[in-house]
Amino acid sequence: RKEVEQDPGPFNVPEGATVAFNCTYSNSASQSFFWYRQDCRKEPKLLMSVYSSGNEDGRFTAQLNRASQYISLLIRDSKLSDSATYLCVVNERGGATNKLIFGTGTLLAVQP
Amino acid sequence: DVKVTQSSRYLVKRTGEKVFLECVQDMDHENMFWYRQDPGLGLRLIYFSYDVKMKEKGDIPEGYSVSREKKERFSLILESASTNQTSMYLCASSPGLAASGTDTQYFGPGTRLTVL
Repeated sequence: RKEVEQDPGPFNVPEGATVAFNCTYSNSASQSFFWYRQDCRKEPKLLMSVYSSGNEDGRFTAQLNRASQYISLLIRDSKLSDSATYLCVVNERGGATNKLIFGTGTLLAVQP
Repeated sequence: DVKVTQSSRYLVKRTGEKVFLECVQDMDHENMFWYRQDPGLGLRLIYFSYDVKMKEKGDIPEGYSVSREKKERFSLILESASTNQTSMYLCASSPGLAASGTDTQYFGPGTRLTVL
């Protein structure tokens, strides 16, 4: 089983749609969770950290379910500029090594 | 803003050549990382360093070595490049949980290496 699993997509959605991505992780000791965004041929950039209580940043909402080892990202009112690959990221072994484990990413294509 | 720079955006080398990839960060981060990214495989950790002159193997260290002589600089070395090392190489730095309470990593723009 992969340490971090994501649906690779692609998710093709019209502008203005709401889209949700899910991610599962295998290490119950993980304590840090992130969503990164990666544009085509560019480096990954931090989109948002994910906190136990859930958190929101504008049109983006992240949720964490520790019991099910599940992370989600919700994007409301999709824009063309949201088209990118979204990487689910967790830390390894409770952060002892500062290593992060990256999912292979979910591709989002927002259509006009 | 954190800035991580890499010495080249694109590099073409021949099989058997020694290749140096340089990475510099300007935020006094403790931790630095080298990844490669290939389609369908995601980011895979090659080596990382949590202090000057310290290094740890990642998940795929074979065929690579690293050097960290100064805190801000982390070099990846391909001793004898092979075609299966054609990839996108990404450097990242992180302040570390102990130093800052977060292990968020910040990436450089990447080096696309082609080995012929």
